[in-house]
Amino acid sequence: KNEVEQSPQNLTAQEGEFITINCSYSVGISALHWLQQHPGGGIVSLFMLSSGKKKHGRLIATINIQEKHSSLHITASHPRDSAVYICADLRETSGSRLTFGEGTQLTVNP
Amino acid sequence: DGGITQSPKYLFRKEGQNVTLSCEQNLNHDAMYWYRQDPGQGLRLIYYSQIVNDFQKGDIAEGYSVSREKKESFPLTVTSAQKNPTAFYLCASSTLRPDTQYFGPGTRLTVL
Repeated sequence: KNEVEQSPQNLTAQEGEFITINCSYSVGISALHWLQQHPGGGIVSLFMLSSGKKKHGRLIATINIQEKHSSLHITASHPRDSAVYICADLRETSGSRLTFGEGTQLTVNP
Repeated sequence: DGGITQSPKYLFRKEGQNVTLSCEQNLNHDAMYWYRQDPGQGLRLIYYSQIVNDFQKGDIAEGYSVSREKKESFPLTVTSAQKNPTAFYLCASSTLRPDTQYFGPGTRLTVL
């Protein structure tokens, strides 16, 4: 069982829809990362957060430390948002090592 | 431009051959990492290094070796002892504090 769980595994949406991807983790963390992987394989970091909420453009990430849960929201989704979204936790006891979820494959249709 | 590079993008090798994947960064990061990604699975840590001439095993180090002779470079050798080496390999770097990891473009290794 992965210690970082994402849901759903796959998500298909129509352009313009509001999207939510969820991430649950099991241990105390220093921070939670959201990453985006495009079909070519390259990965970019979207957010690193340890409390509250962060926003960048149409992307919003939230975290609830007590519930050990984070969400990534995409407003007004677009086909170019199609990618794999990965959450990863940075544990208090692991230095700079990340533990990754399995990813959520998002497809946004025009 | 600052960044992290991996080469080559695609690599084909015959079974039983060792192969070395390159990873270079000019971000002045102390920490570097190698990950393996298989279809439908999360990234798994192979090795990481937080300082020159020192490195630690990750979760799946068997069949792999690394070196860190320079701060900028962290090559990964996939040895013939790795039972299932065909995969997508990603290198990353970061500072030592809780911080963003920056990823290279990856190398897709296929062993024939």
